[in-house]
Amino acid sequence: DAGVTQSPTHLIKTRGQQVTLRCSPKSGHDTVSWYQQALGQGPQFIFQYYEEEERQRGNFPDRFSGHQFPNYSSELNVNALLLGDSALYLCASSLVAGNSPLHFGNGTRLTVT
Amino acid sequence: SQQGEEDPQALSIQEGENATMNCSYKTSINNLQWYRQNSGRGLVHLILIRSNEREKHSGRLRVTLDTSKKSSSLLITASRAADTASYFCATDGELGATNKLIFGTGTLLAVQP
Repeated sequence: DAGVTQSPTHLIKTRGQQVTLRCSPKSGHDTVSWYQQALGQGPQFIFQYYEEEERQRGNFPDRFSGHQFPNYSSELNVNALLLGDSALYLCASSLVAGNSPLHFGNGTRLTVT
Repeated sequence: SQQGEEDPQALSIQEGENATMNCSYKTSINNLQWYRQNSGRGLVHLILIRSNEREKHSGRLRVTLDTSKKSSSLLITASRAADTASYFCATDGELGATNKLIFGTGTLLAVQP
């Protein structure tokens, strides 16, 4: 039973570029959430997708957008990259029902130069 | 922004000793969860405690919750070198915001063999 998988594992981009990160949820899970984790900090909630729609959003600018596909996989897109976007981006899947623990992937390490 | 803070920020103990980490949060919650993160990897769910529970056990883990003080503690008994990791508490910071977890700043635990 595969857990949450994310690709790529590492990525280096230049300021102003755009990036797409991908996530496949744990089998049986229908909800995908994305988190940004800066070095030495806790993860910060970006947004959550369920039934192919963004359901909840954290305090992130519109440069951050996402998508969920019919097979529940998801993408995170970041436009006009800034140096401050350098972080570990974590995808987590769960069931939409409340109190369902999050299952995290190992993340994509994004470096913006 | 972070919902809460863990205390201490870093903790170093010997194998076999107990480790206690504390977490404070700001808003009313439905539940509080603890996660572990090994260096550079995804988070792993450890335990969930509901707002109407005061204490919960899982193996060598013991979690307490005091909603009047908006605080929680995680006790790891008989620690092992493999327990070396960062530990985060997480709350559903808004009532009804299903699975929108707000993480604290984390405690870095080092268990010396």
